[in-house]
Amino acid sequence: KAGVTQTPRYLIKTRGQQVTLSCSPISGHRSVSWYQQTPGQGLQFLFEYFSETQRNKGNFPGRFSGRQFSNSRSEMNVSTLELGDSALYLCASSETGGQGYTFGSGTRLTVV
Amino acid sequence: SQQGEEDPQALSIQEGENATMNCSYKTSINNLQWYRQNSGRGLVHLILIRSNEREKHSGRLRVTLDTSKKSSSLLITASRAADTASYFCATALNTGTASKLTFGTGTRLQVTL
Repeated sequence: KAGVTQTPRYLIKTRGQQVTLSCSPISGHRSVSWYQQTPGQGLQFLFEYFSETQRNKGNFPGRFSGRQFSNSRSEMNVSTLELGDSALYLCASSETGGQGYTFGSGTRLTVV
Repeated sequence: SQQGEEDPQALSIQEGENATMNCSYKTSINNLQWYRQNSGRGLVHLILIRSNEREKHSGRLRVTLDTSKKSSSLLITASRAADTASYFCATALNTGTASKLTFGTGTRLQVTL
């Protein structure tokens, strides 16, 4: 079966712009989580969605937001980009959350 | 902030040798999971051990969990060059209906021929 698909794979944006990243989970998976990975902070949890509802949120500023659609696809948005937002953004899906997750290949965002 | 700390940060071994990585965490957990990451790509789920389990095996992988010491170890036996990757432990709290993974700092494993 198809894995978790993240688009785009690479993105270059300018400070102050906004960006939207997309994630298509494995069919039947209703939980979608987002993580940010940087060399300095490692892997950090952004938020989790389950059946279109945000169930959990990490310690990120309000510039980071997300949503989940009825088909479980999810998007995350970062507004007013800062240089420090440069990172690999990973999406993960699972059937209900909390058990083993399947990760996508990530979107590498570079802010210049 | 990272809940888990892993050691060693880096490990270099020869093919055929065993590799052991350790993970410590700070709070009570529902389960602990190990993931592998190749060169900044996505993470691959390796194994999950629940808080009421002490040891689990999957192929060449053996995971132990000591909840009294809040620590876990991952043993890869008979390592191969293809095992070269970064390995992360992640804890799941599963508070109520919400869940999230808190990752450790990772161990970079290099397996040489």
